[in-house]
Amino acid sequence: GENVEQHPSTLSVQEGDSAVIKCTYSDSASNYFPWYKQELGKGPQLIIDIRSNVGEKKDQRIAVTLNKTAKHFSLHITETQPEDSAVYFCAAKGDSSYKLIFGSGTRLLVRP
Amino acid sequence: DAGVTQSPTHLIKTRGQHVTLRCSPISGHKSVSWYQQVLGQGPQFIFQYYEKEERGRGNFPDRFSARQFPNYSSELNVNALLLGDSALYLCASSLNANILSYEQYFGPGTRLTVT
Repeated sequence: GENVEQHPSTLSVQEGDSAVIKCTYSDSASNYFPWYKQELGKGPQLIIDIRSNVGEKKDQRIAVTLNKTAKHFSLHITETQPEDSAVYFCAAKGDSSYKLIFGSGTRLLVRP
Repeated sequence: DAGVTQSPTHLIKTRGQHVTLRCSPISGHKSVSWYQQVLGQGPQFIFQYYEKEERGRGNFPDRFSARQFPNYSSELNVNALLLGDSALYLCASSLNANILSYEQYFGPGTRLTVT
């Protein structure tokens, strides 16, 4: 069935360093890949997304890359700041589907 | 601009009881989806509604039901509550149910505890 695997489950970086979170999806029909940031006690916040006709997308300090052949997509955060500390979720969605399939989440800690 | 709103924020129920959770989408958005997020996991899709019709359903038992009103707000109902229903229930709003309308925006959620 549809599945999204996410790694690592936890990630600790020094402020100013980069962080990379990786996801793999199983459904080859998936064509939309959003990333969400969830802070404690809040709902997931859409931070960036990419569609299958694009290989890379960047928005200030965050970027997402997509490798359709390998069914991999990754989130890159540069110049990390303490306020980047949160749980990050990747997700995938296919054209014929109404639902997002989420990964299990990555808890990112940025140490001051 | 108000985002997605959900009520109540927290709820404590006893096994076997019934619960109703409410969601108002972003102004102008016509589609609402419901997700269940168990502690430490990613959200799991329950339902999507558009124009008062169910457009998609996840792998949840019939104890879970929902509806959408003419103003596009939505209710999620869960009957015969089980301990395992304890979770954060998230509502997501999107512009419409067109499969080309991808972006979903989440509300703060309702934390349900079943004792």
